[in-house]
Amino acid sequence: DAKTTQPNSMESNEEEPVHLPCNHSTISGTDYIHWYRQLPSQGPEYVIHGLTSNVNNRMASLAIAEDRKSSTLILHRATLRDAAVYYCILFGSARQLTFGSGTQLTVLP
Amino acid sequence: ETGVTQSPTHLIKTRGQQVTLRCSSQSGHNTVSWYQQALGQGPQFIFQYYREEENGRGNFPPRFSGLQFPNYSSELNVNALELDDSALYLCASSPAVRGSYNEQFFGPGTRLTVL
Repeated sequence: DAKTTQPNSMESNEEEPVHLPCNHSTISGTDYIHWYRQLPSQGPEYVIHGLTSNVNNRMASLAIAEDRKSSTLILHRATLRDAAVYYCILFGSARQLTFGSGTQLTVLP
Repeated sequence: ETGVTQSPTHLIKTRGQQVTLRCSSQSGHNTVSWYQQALGQGPQFIFQYYREEENGRGNFPPRFSGLQFPNYSSELNVNALELDDSALYLCASSPAVRGSYNEQFFGPGTRLTVL
């Protein structure tokens, strides 16, 4: 499975934008880029996914590099409830989510 | 619409015993996946069931087995429990059809402790 690389941890101030990076240099043409997050003591929660074009939904935006070797999850205004581990995952023909260690996001009041 | 539910919430077993964990998928979802999450790590894929058939398996030994029922609920069975099996077991369902890449909806998990 193609792998992703994320920073172990990031901090943000409340109500400021957060840009969470992900590198996936070995991505294949059919791999979708999925983001999930896991709040403390909960199961993972789907955030957003995309293939080539940038995507927006009510939770976040996903910016995908033109060569698809990296992507950035954007939380437009971080709240304390956004503190979680964020996972960037390549979802391909095997149709199984391969989680890495993710990025622990801390939101400071 | 009811989300994914799992039972029990917590479970304590001793080494060598067998355990069955249960998952009810979200209404309309025909695919169920199971994951193991050790403390401080990301979830690891165990296997997936699509319309009652195994549809992919991760790097787990045969003592990890599963079932999916006609109503798309699912069971995870683990035989001959080992101490390293202590983890949070997560179930996720999705309305997937072959070739699609829909998001998965996770339950809250079952915390298994093996003594």
